Amino acid sequence: ELKVEQNPLFLSMQEGKNYTIYCNYSTTSDRLYWYRQDPGKSLESLFVLLSNGAVKQEGRLMASLDTKARLSTLHITAAVHDLSATYFCAVDLDSGGGADGLTFGKGTHLIIQP
Amino acid sequence: DVKVTQSSRYLVKRTGEKVFLECVQDMDHENMFWYRQDPGLGLRLIYFSYDVKMKEKGDIPEGYSVSREKKERFSLILESASTNQTSMYLCASSLYLGDLNEKLFFGSGTQLSVL
Repeated sequence: ELKVEQNPLFLSMQEGKNYTIYCNYSTTSDRLYWYRQDPGKSLESLFVLLSNGAVKQEGRLMASLDTKARLSTLHITAAVHDLSATYFCAVDLDSGGGADGLTFGKGTHLIIQP
Repeated sequence: DVKVTQSSRYLVKRTGEKVFLECVQDMDHENMFWYRQDPGLGLRLIYFSYDVKMKEKGDIPEGYSVSREKKERFSLILESASTNQTSMYLCASSLYLGDLNEKLFFGSGTQLSVL
């Protein structure tokens, strides 16, 4: 059974600071996704990471994937209030491309305070 | 832009009622999914479908069924609603997960309360 664990589940930080959210998963997979969810809204795709060593950046967010360690990180640089949201990582178990859905972590609720 | 539309934003139903949650996508996607989201538990896959009239169980299918008669529409059915099915239900679609850059597009969710 695939398990996806995020750490921390809750994070309160100040604007301007840097921090990292971690996502560990229990079974071999070559594809990992990061989503953002604003309160009362649905999920929005942030990054798709497809191979070991993959790194993607957009604005103040950078995601990386280490398939050997079964670990992905989402790094926040110089946080701003607009990044307050819940962040989910999700893993695709079937790397062959079958439509068997994604397994999600429990989410990291991030609050960025002025 | 891909649009995934869920018919109701909020629903209140009584225990034992049969409940239909509807989801429509407008981008000719092959795959459609139903998740439920609960505080502290993240998203859990209920059912998915990779083609018309095809369905597969996800991680928590008990108490639910689905219907996909047309490619654009995927319905989630609670045969006899129970209070533990109170949750946020999210529908998602994707073109084909075999495309390495493909991702899920989510609807805005249906908050279901079963009294």
